[in-house]
Parts: sequence; structure tokens; C-alpha cells
Amino acid sequence: GDSVTQMEGPVTLSEEAFLTINCTYTATGYPSLFWYVQYPGEGLQLLLKATKADDKGSNKGFEATYRKETTSFHLEKGSVQVSDSAVYFCALSGGNTPLVFGNGTRLSVIA
Amino acid sequence: EPEVTQTPSHQVTQMGQEVILRCVPISNHLYFYWYRQILGQKVEFLVSFYNNEISEKSEIFDDQFSVERPDGSNFTLKIRSTKLEDSAMYFCASSESRGKEETQYFGPGTRLLVL
Repeated sequence: GDSVTQMEGPVTLSEEAFLTINCTYTATGYPSLFWYVQYPGEGLQLLLKATKADDKGSNKGFEATYRKETTSFHLEKGSVQVSDSAVYFCALSGGNTPLVFGNGTRLSVIA
Repeated sequence: EPEVTQTPSHQVTQMGQEVILRCVPISNHLYFYWYRQILGQKVEFLVSFYNNEISEKSEIFDDQFSVERPDGSNFTLKIRSTKLEDSAMYFCASSESRGKEETQYFGPGTRLLVL
């Protein structure tokens, strides 16, 4: 079945460092890909999404490009802030199916 | 901005007791979902609901679980006889329609602890 694999956390970075969180997927067909973020004590919020190959999703300085050839959707940000500390989930949707999530990656940004 | 709400935020119950988790989806959304996240594990799909019936359910969603839309706004998940392994964070979500491009909007979750 469909699956999502994320890099293991936790990831600890200094403020203004470059962030990459790797995400690869296995799916039949052409899924849509999502990044959700969970701030401490809150629910899952959509961060960005891409619905077809080569699409780039972006929001709040975060970006991810849908790469069909490498089945990847890596999350990047050029300069992280303390307020970006959260758990990040990569997910896919294959159509009329529920979201399939990765394990989540905890990011801690220190000043 | 409209949001999905869930109550209670935390619930502690004894094994074997019934619990009802409540959700208010975004008002113009037609598709509703429950997911759960056991501590330290991934978010897992439980059930989806549309037009007053279950449209899909996972293997986790056995006979101990049920869902209901008792009125025009609430969407509930009932666990009939809780087990220790039901301890998890339960997330409700809703979406305007179905399809791979559709965004599901999540509530803040209910943390359930079964003792």
C-alpha cells in the first residue's frame, strides 16, 4: 500500500540555519503531497501542498518540490526561527483515500 | 478563519468504560474523518464519513468504535469499551469535498488516556 518515509528526528538547529527534512513516498498512481505542522499543544495545520509532479508548494518561507523521478517531497527553509520549532509531518493522498502520514520529524530551533 | 474544534482536550477513563469524543467540523464541509496518533507513532486513519454514513474505515476501526453525526454540527467518535491500547491523541478532520487535491483541516485533538 501507499507509504511515506521521513527522516528521523529530532532535528536541532540554531536560528537562521538552513533546514531540510527529507520525505520520500511509495504510491500507486500520482498522489498529492502535503506537509503538515504541529506546534506544541496544537493540532495539525496544513503548511503546504503540491498536487502534481514538479509543483512547488510554499508557505511561511518553507518550500517543497514534488519530484516524481525520486518520489520525494523534501521540506526546506532557508533561515529557521525559534518559532518554527514544531513537529513536521509529510503526508500523501492517493485520491479517494485517506491521508497517509509519515512518522513526523521534531524540529527544535535554538536562539 | 473557520476551524475544526474538538472536545474535550483531555480525557482520562478506566478500561472498559465508554468514551465519546466530540468534534465540530467546518460548517460548509461535507466529509469528516477521525485519525489517531499513539504516542511516538505515526498518525493513522480510522474512519471517514459522508452523507450520514461511513465511506471508508481502517482495520483499527473495529466493532468497539462507532461514529455519528447527531445533529447538523457535531461529529462524534464513540469507543464502546476502552482498552489500554486505545490511549492516543484522536484528531478530527473535515474537508469540503473528496479527491487527492482536497485539503483536510484538522482539529487540535483529544488526548485520551485509558487506565
